[in-house]
Amino acid sequence: KAGVTQTPRYLIKTRGQQVTLSCSPISGHRSVSWYQQTPGQGLQFLFEYFSETQRNKGNFPGRFSGRQFSNSRSEMNVSTLELGDSALYLCASSLEPGQSYEQYFGPGTRLTVT
Amino acid sequence: AQRVTQPEKLLSVFKGAPVELKCNYSYSGSPELFWYVQYSRQRLQLLLRHISRESIKGFTADLNKGETSFHLKKPFAQEEDSAMYYCAPRTGGGNKLTFGTGTQLKVEL
Repeated sequence: KAGVTQTPRYLIKTRGQQVTLSCSPISGHRSVSWYQQTPGQGLQFLFEYFSETQRNKGNFPGRFSGRQFSNSRSEMNVSTLELGDSALYLCASSLEPGQSYEQYFGPGTRLTVT
Repeated sequence: AQRVTQPEKLLSVFKGAPVELKCNYSYSGSPELFWYVQYSRQRLQLLLRHISRESIKGFTADLNKGETSFHLKKPFAQEEDSAMYYCAPRTGGGNKLTFGTGTQLKVEL
């Protein structure tokens, strides 16, 4: 079974631009979560989607948004990019939310904002 | 405030020595606790969870509610254990994980 895939793997953007990152969960998984990883702040939860609905949101500004499609694929968008948005963005999927189901992480998208 | 603390950024041990990676949490209620591991050039992956009470790759972790700790232990470190280890409580009904800052374990020969 293919693992979680994220596209693109690397991205370079300029301050003020916007960016869209994509995550394809493992087949059959309906829950997708996003995390931001930086050297300074570590791994921080962004949001979680299940059945096209946002279930949970982390403490990030409104410039960060996401959505989930009917096939469970998810996208996250960051508008008006700032230098501090440079990070590795990780996506994780599981069958459903909840303690019985393991979350599987993707390889991440490395975003560099210049 | 809800918080998870991993006090050691780097832990260096010799092969065959015991390993203990510390994790303390401060959460109301009863969080579910996990250890995740990231080997060099690999994805973040689940190592073990407290509800399973299992031993994975020789590692165990016991939840101590009195001390609010979930330390990860292994009696004899192996070179292949060198990796970044994250403690992560999950609270609420969803999948939100709050990761600690991580401990880089280096096993030296």
